[in-house]
Amino acid sequence: NAGVTQTPKFQVLKTGQSMTLQCAQDMNHNSMYWYRQDPGMGLRLIYYSASEGTTDKGEVPNGYNVSRLNKREFSLRLESAAPSQTSVYFCASSELQNYGYTFGSGTRLTVV
Amino acid sequence: AQSVTQLGSHVSVSEGALVLLRCNYSSSVPPYLFWYVQYPNQGLQLLLKYTSAATLVKGINGFEAEFKKSETSFHLTKPSAHMSDAAEYFCAVSDHSGNQFYFGTGTSLTVIP
Repeated sequence: NAGVTQTPKFQVLKTGQSMTLQCAQDMNHNSMYWYRQDPGMGLRLIYYSASEGTTDKGEVPNGYNVSRLNKREFSLRLESAAPSQTSVYFCASSELQNYGYTFGSGTRLTVV
Repeated sequence: AQSVTQLGSHVSVSEGALVLLRCNYSSSVPPYLFWYVQYPNQGLQLLLKYTSAATLVKGINGFEAEFKKSETSFHLTKPSAHMSDAAEYFCAVSDHSGNQFYFGTGTSLTVIP
């Protein structure tokens, strides 16, 4: 089925470890996004890529880096994980900015 | 920056009753507005969107929302709640570039049999 695929679905890290969250979409969308979801805070934008080759900071970029590897893939990297980064991470894509998003199923990350 | 406010983090309705979930946005210029639904352990799904074509927007699963510029509101309604409507609902607004979306904090809907 067409959509947004995120891996892994679950991950537990120790403080200070690094990891990369992977996201791929097969809808030929130009724009891709990374959000984190925390209880009572809704979704907050970490980084986005309006088109292949460009990335921009969102609302909460500190502690994260991203790579738009090609049109399909947009990865999120935590260089040195902290307990404050415990969250559910969602990747999303969009053909045109105001068409709304297609979301992946999320990555539940726990940092201990 | 844009913002949205969802009044009521938890709403309970009886099966068959009217569903009303409230959303107010901050901008005085009509932005693009969206409602998403999230079922447990899943990503968000688009319910409906307002893009200035019509003030009453119909979405999936019998939901609709009315854009009211004078009230800066975009409330979500459904005439008759079904058990399968139990989920978390998020209102979102885009900025004028369309590059960033701002989500409300969500409203958890419980449907009582």
